[in-house]
Amino acid sequence: EDKVVQSPLSLVVHEGDTVTLNCSYEVTNFRSLLWYKQEKKAPTFLFMLTSSGIEKKSGRLSSILDKKELSSILNITATQTGDSAIYLCAPLRADKLIFGTGTRLQVFP
Amino acid sequence: DVKVTQSSRYLVKRTGEKVFLECVQDMDHENMFWYRQDPGLGLRLIYFSYDVKMKEKGDIPEGYSVSREKKERFSLILESASTNQTSMYLCASSLERELFFGEGSRLTVL
Repeated sequence: EDKVVQSPLSLVVHEGDTVTLNCSYEVTNFRSLLWYKQEKKAPTFLFMLTSSGIEKKSGRLSSILDKKELSSILNITATQTGDSAIYLCAPLRADKLIFGTGTRLQVFP
Repeated sequence: DVKVTQSSRYLVKRTGEKVFLECVQDMDHENMFWYRQDPGLGLRLIYFSYDVKMKEKGDIPEGYSVSREKKERFSLILESASTNQTSMYLCASSLERELFFGEGSRLTVL
């Protein structure tokens, strides 16, 4: 059975803090791993990671995949209140995306 | 098994033409999504719908519109296709956490 575990489940920080979100997975026919940010009903895309060890960056966000450990992390530096959201990790199988439970991040001024 | 069917696998259109991409799912899912997938950019959400006649903009709605007249059908419309809309378009549906994708529609705009 496919499994995706994200930790922590919830995180409360102050603006300016750096956070690291974790994702571990057990998925058959794994192809790649995607990170999403969910503020409204639908998740919006952040990163797609296919190769191990190659960091992807977008502004204050960065992410890396470790295929050996079956895990990925998402880092957010200098957090802002606008970063408050649920962050979803989603391994992509051949035919579907499987979302983890998410990490709820709340950033206070 | 959930089936998400996209009507056209490959389309070639000219700039300025109107394009309809149809998506049908057979599992009575509430939520349906349209994404486009481009090399190096991953999946970007165009529009989504969580009920009949409801729609919400995703990350990149400009140049697109959608229609959800029936629960099982979610259409993506390009009113006037442009070359930068050449892409792979993926429809998906979901009940809770799993997204089920169609096979994709590769659109080329000349």
